[in-house]
Amino acid sequence: AQSVTQLGSHVSVSEGALVLLRCNYSSSVPPYLFWYVQYPNQGLQLLLKYTTGATLVKGINGFEAEFKKSETSFHLTKPSAHMSDAAEYFCAVERAGSYQLTFGKGTKLSVIP
Amino acid sequence: NAGVTQTPKFRILKIGQSMTLQCAQDMNHNYMYWYRQDPGMGLKLIYYSVGAGITDKGEVPNGYNVSRSTTEDFPLRLELAAPSQTSVYFCASSQDRANEQFFGPGTRLTVL
Repeated sequence: AQSVTQLGSHVSVSEGALVLLRCNYSSSVPPYLFWYVQYPNQGLQLLLKYTTGATLVKGINGFEAEFKKSETSFHLTKPSAHMSDAAEYFCAVERAGSYQLTFGKGTKLSVIP
Repeated sequence: NAGVTQTPKFRILKIGQSMTLQCAQDMNHNYMYWYRQDPGMGLKLIYYSVGAGITDKGEVPNGYNVSRSTTEDFPLRLELAAPSQTSVYFCASSQDRANEQFFGPGTRLTVL
């Protein structure tokens, strides 16, 4: 069975500071990896995904993530936080050959003015 | 395109009652999913479908049923509601595996 661990249920950063949200996964085969964002009282929206190819992937709103197979990690970063980035972020894994996404428990990002 | 729509937005049920959560998508997606979201627990897959007439269980299917008679619709049925089914329910759809899942706005269900 695969699992997803997001370190830190709540992260606070100052506006303009680096955003780093951590995600580690366990999977017996290389998975597909996703980051989704959820704004209050809304559904989830895809930020970025890794399937194959380049391990550094860029997403919407200036976010990017790097797939590191040796560390089984897929951390999400953004160089400079904006107030509008305040939301909950979910890392998700889809094992190749499966139809199912396994989500982490989420990290709520607060941006301090 | 409306994307993925869900009705109702909110519902309060009494223990033992039944209800159907509606989900529809207008993107002609083959894959559809039902998730439940509980605070601090992320999303758990209840059921999914890879096309009309084909459904399968996810991680937490007990107490729920689904059907997929058309490409567009994927209703979720709760029989004999229990307090443990108090949650926010999200429907999603995607064109194919490893593609973006598009989520509906959710249904907030309370069972008292």
